[in-house]
Amino acid sequence: SAVISQKPSRDICQRGTSLTIQCQVDSQVTMMFWYRQQPGQSLTLIATANQGSEATYESGFVIDKFPISRPNLTFSTLTVSNMSPEDSSIYLCSVEAFRQGRSETQYFGPGTRLLVL
Amino acid sequence: SQKIEQNSEALNIQEGKTATLTCNYTNYSPAYLQWYRQDPGRGPVFLLLIRENEKEKRKERLKVTFDTTLKQSLFHITASQPADSATYLCALGTGANNLFFGTGTRLTVIP
Repeated sequence: SAVISQKPSRDICQRGTSLTIQCQVDSQVTMMFWYRQQPGQSLTLIATANQGSEATYESGFVIDKFPISRPNLTFSTLTVSNMSPEDSSIYLCSVEAFRQGRSETQYFGPGTRLLVL
Repeated sequence: SQKIEQNSEALNIQEGKTATLTCNYTNYSPAYLQWYRQDPGRGPVFLLLIRENEKEKRKERLKVTFDTTLKQSLFHITASQPADSATYLCALGTGANNLFFGTGTRLTVIP
């Protein structure tokens, strides 16, 4: 299993500012994923971050709004830029777990709870 | 459009009974389906995976069925306990490293 930590665990931010969320994994992983979980909504994938290449963004999410860094195999950051109240959400990072060479599941971090005023 | 629906937002059940949660999907062709548990303030925790060619999977008090004709998965918790109270999420995997999640069912087991 993988142990994932996120910082900060929660924050309250003003409209128009930016927040960078950190995700640290206790083992080297190829792919890291960033999700958003809005109140009453399902988890939605924002982007996939591979070390050494640009992140791949899902439909509806753009790099200017959610820039991602992946400097090494155990760490990634997600920035929520120029925030508005609609960005209030829980942001989660996750990594894949493999068994017998097949992707079996994902391990999730505890999440970062963001409130934008 | 693609949809993943979990039967109800909230489910209350008496301790000792079997809880049954439903996940229905449309316009997906999943290679596998997963169930996660999420407690308040925490990230989802993986419980079970069932592949498209499997009908049923069991793990201790948990049982998952997968009917690709009905496009439905059922998740059962037998002999439910108050500690089973949590939100349960189904997620479809399409084999492209992408998981699509339902909105979850909040289960409360009443002592």
